[in-house]
Amino acid sequence: NAGVTQTPKFRILKIGQSMTLQCAQDMNHNYMYWYRQDPGMGLKLIYYSVGAGITDKGEVPNGYNVSRSTTEDFPLRLELAAPSQTSVYFCASTPTSGVPHEQFFGPGTRLTVL
Amino acid sequence: QKEVEQDPGPLSVPEGAIVSLNCTYSNSAFQYFMWYRQYSRKGPELLMYTYSSGNKEDGRFTAQVDKSSKYISLFIRDSQPSDSATYLCAMHFGNEKLTFGTGTRLTIIP
Repeated sequence: NAGVTQTPKFRILKIGQSMTLQCAQDMNHNYMYWYRQDPGMGLKLIYYSVGAGITDKGEVPNGYNVSRSTTEDFPLRLELAAPSQTSVYFCASTPTSGVPHEQFFGPGTRLTVL
Repeated sequence: QKEVEQDPGPLSVPEGAIVSLNCTYSNSAFQYFMWYRQYSRKGPELLMYTYSSGNKEDGRFTAQVDKSSKYISLFIRDSQPSDSATYLCAMHFGNEKLTFGTGTRLTIIP
């Protein structure tokens, strides 16, 4: 199993540009999450999904959109990039059942908006 | 008040020392307590979890939970340079989402 994969690893965007961060998992996990991590600020939840076709906002959803058409994929869309979106983005997944809710993280995407 | 508070550090200790990492929380509903380790430029990975008050050991690592004080700790014995990482506490109840601490950056000096 590849686990959780994310592409790209790095990206530099100009203000106002758009991009999609890709996330895929091959563990047949229903729950998937997008976080951003800023220095000293921990992980902040952007969006999450409990299954294909179902998404919901997290703590910091403004400026982002998601879709979940399959169990495996959970892309994050940035529209009109702003410098405040400079961050490291992590995708994670967890099985539907069982506690505790161990989340499996991808390697992250480092995004800089200039 | 944040639901989970964690001292951000950074924390530097000599090799072989005992390390204590701590989190406090305010939501008494939290049932499951985890510690994630995050190496530089990597994603977090689960190190340990526990769901009851008391201690849980795994090799050089001990997770401690005191629900009456809403306080959790991670102890690392005989610390090694390979333990240098950021440690994040996390907790949840039922099927709710994880709530993370802000992380403590730890450096073990050879």
